Amino acid sequence: ETGVTQTPRHLVMGMTNKKSLKCEQHLGHNAMYWYKQSAKKPLELMFVYSLEERVENNSVPSRFSPECPNSSHLFLHLHTLQPEDSALYLCASSQDSAGDSPLHFGNGTRLTVT
Amino acid sequence: GIQVEQSPPDLILQEGANSTLRCNFSDSVNNLQWFHQNPWGQLINLFYIPSGTKQNGRLSATTVATERYSLLYISSSQTTDSGVYFCAGPWGGGNKLTFGTGTQLKVEL
Repeated sequence: ETGVTQTPRHLVMGMTNKKSLKCEQHLGHNAMYWYKQSAKKPLELMFVYSLEERVENNSVPSRFSPECPNSSHLFLHLHTLQPEDSALYLCASSQDSAGDSPLHFGNGTRLTVT
Repeated sequence: GIQVEQSPPDLILQEGANSTLRCNFSDSVNNLQWFHQNPWGQLINLFYIPSGTKQNGRLSATTVATERYSLLYISSSQTTDSGVYFCAGPWGGGNKLTFGTGTQLKVEL
């Protein structure tokens, strides 16, 4: 699928760095999501945006800061991360967040915190 | 929140074999989805199937909402079917999906 694109594909950062993950969807969807996938754990929902408004913050530490400037773009700003934050970060979109539309994922960004 | 259990956790098949993956959920759902995660990490949406049966090529899925389970059938498996299969159901309203722990499938020649 090329409907949801994420950059970069891989990222290595130190604990004092600041970096951003980018997601763009070309599907005309109204809702966008950030998920975290750690080794041997189920996918964890981090944030949900619907029509550029944040509708869910799933108890995520403040060192992760999302931004949704428009319905096609979603960012995840990272600062002072910990090694346990190393994971695959997946962006997704759906037509709406009303629970009746399929979720489409990007390729993910594999993050390593050193 | 909703609990989602998948079985089996691991499965090895010879190419050409058929298999059935199961997803049990603890509460009624109106939005059950199946995904395939390939070895490179990409998640592909296979089915959005709140109830009934759908087919897509060699794959089909059936959800029996009243009994709180869904099945994914893979027929004539190919090596490209390898990866992890997840089912997911919503909690708390909207599209906040709870994912199961997945079935790791390996298809061998």
